[in-house]
Amino acid sequence: DTEVTQTPKHLVMGMTNKKSLKCEQHMGHRAMYWYKQKAKKPPELMFVYSYEKLSINESVPSRFSPECPNSSLLNLHLHALQPEDSALYLCASSQKTPPGSYNSPLHFGNGTRLTVT
Amino acid sequence: QQQVKQSPQSLIVQKGGIPIINCAYENTAFDYFPWYQQFPGKGPALLIAIRPDVSEKKEGRFTISFNKSAKQFSLHIMDSQPGDSATYFCAASARNTDKLIFGTGTRLQVFP
Repeated sequence: DTEVTQTPKHLVMGMTNKKSLKCEQHMGHRAMYWYKQKAKKPPELMFVYSYEKLSINESVPSRFSPECPNSSLLNLHLHALQPEDSALYLCASSQKTPPGSYNSPLHFGNGTRLTVT
Repeated sequence: QQQVKQSPQSLIVQKGGIPIINCAYENTAFDYFPWYQQFPGKGPALLIAIRPDVSEKKEGRFTISFNKSAKQFSLHIMDSQPGDSATYFCAASARNTDKLIFGTGTRLQVFP
């Protein structure tokens, strides 16, 4: 089982709802990430937190709002989403940035399958 | 220049076969090349990774071959099993950047 835990596993929400995705890791990693993955596509980077500070926002719409309360937790707050936002949302962590380097590989959770109706 | 091109898109082999998945890149600053395996309904899991100063790396039945001059790398799965059926992503990153660039993925099916 993955050491990055995401909740909930599945989420269905209407376009006017507000919901949050949660991610937790206890590996002592200092970098955490949100990715979005559409069916049959690779993961797309959304946000990077390094030492609890937002270091990258890949021009993500403001209806997605990340939060890193501490080094182990990462949230993604969702508001007024569109049906095209339906996807698998993956959280990942690495010991430090840069992400995915040989000495700091990226570890993914199993994702939250989000459906926007 | 930031792309990683992956082929084939899908691959079907029989049990015991040796599927090969290829990736190519342009950015010579890339210095880390991992492969991820993803099963349906799960997140990608790191399978094996290589640095450009070696030409081959083996871990169990999985081998990465790396050709620095051609800017290509490939994944070979020896004695493939039905349990290897998954989507495989190659990726690349450069030192001091905050992005891991993924290939487009290869869906592998291994039939008994």
